[in-house]
Amino acid sequence: NAGVTQTPKFQVLKTGQSMTLQCAQDMNHEYMSWYRQDPGMGLRLIHYSVGAGITDQGEVPNGYNVSRSTTEDFPLRLLSAAPSQTSVYFCASSYSSRASGTEAFFGQGTRLTVV
Amino acid sequence: AQSVTQLGSHVSVSEGALVLLRCNYSSSVPPYLFWYVQYPNQGLQLLLKYTTGATLVKGINGFEAEFKKSETSFHLTKPSAHMSDEAEYFCAVSGGGQAGTALIFGKGTTLSVSS
Repeated sequence: NAGVTQTPKFQVLKTGQSMTLQCAQDMNHEYMSWYRQDPGMGLRLIHYSVGAGITDQGEVPNGYNVSRSTTEDFPLRLLSAAPSQTSVYFCASSYSSRASGTEAFFGQGTRLTVV
Repeated sequence: AQSVTQLGSHVSVSEGALVLLRCNYSSSVPPYLFWYVQYPNQGLQLLLKYTTGATLVKGINGFEAEFKKSETSFHLTKPSAHMSDEAEYFCAVSGGGQAGTALIFGKGTTLSVSS
């Protein structure tokens, strides 16, 4: 059981370039989300989705786009990379968007450096 | 609005000593509380969670936490530290609603264990 899979694991971008971080889950989870982790800041929510075709903004959405065309996939797009987007990105999923006590499962992360 | 405060960004203990990691939360709705652990270069793994019911929650690897509503706290403890417990620990709160199971994280506490 693969769980939550993120690709790539590492990426270096030049300022202004665009790219997509991939996230896929095989647990048929309804709810998916993206976080960024920065030293001393914990994890901050970027975007989330409560089901296919439904997305919404989290705490730090600027500079990122998401879409959810299938239950399994939730890609995160950087439109024009900036050094401030250098971070570790985590994708998470949980089986219900309505049951608040459900556990979130995390991917292994994508370490992104923007130069 | 919900928030989480972890007191102490770095905690150091000796092997065999008590581990105490502090977490206080703020929530306008009954909270669902979580502790996650992150080992170096890994994703986040659930240690334990509080949803409803018993206020003393037992998790994996000998950790436990007690929900104290009057103190708005959810401190994590382990009676005897092991070297393998060295990691970063995150407290998180989820209140459901429109954002579903979106987690609000504290800034994390790094645990160091010396022999």
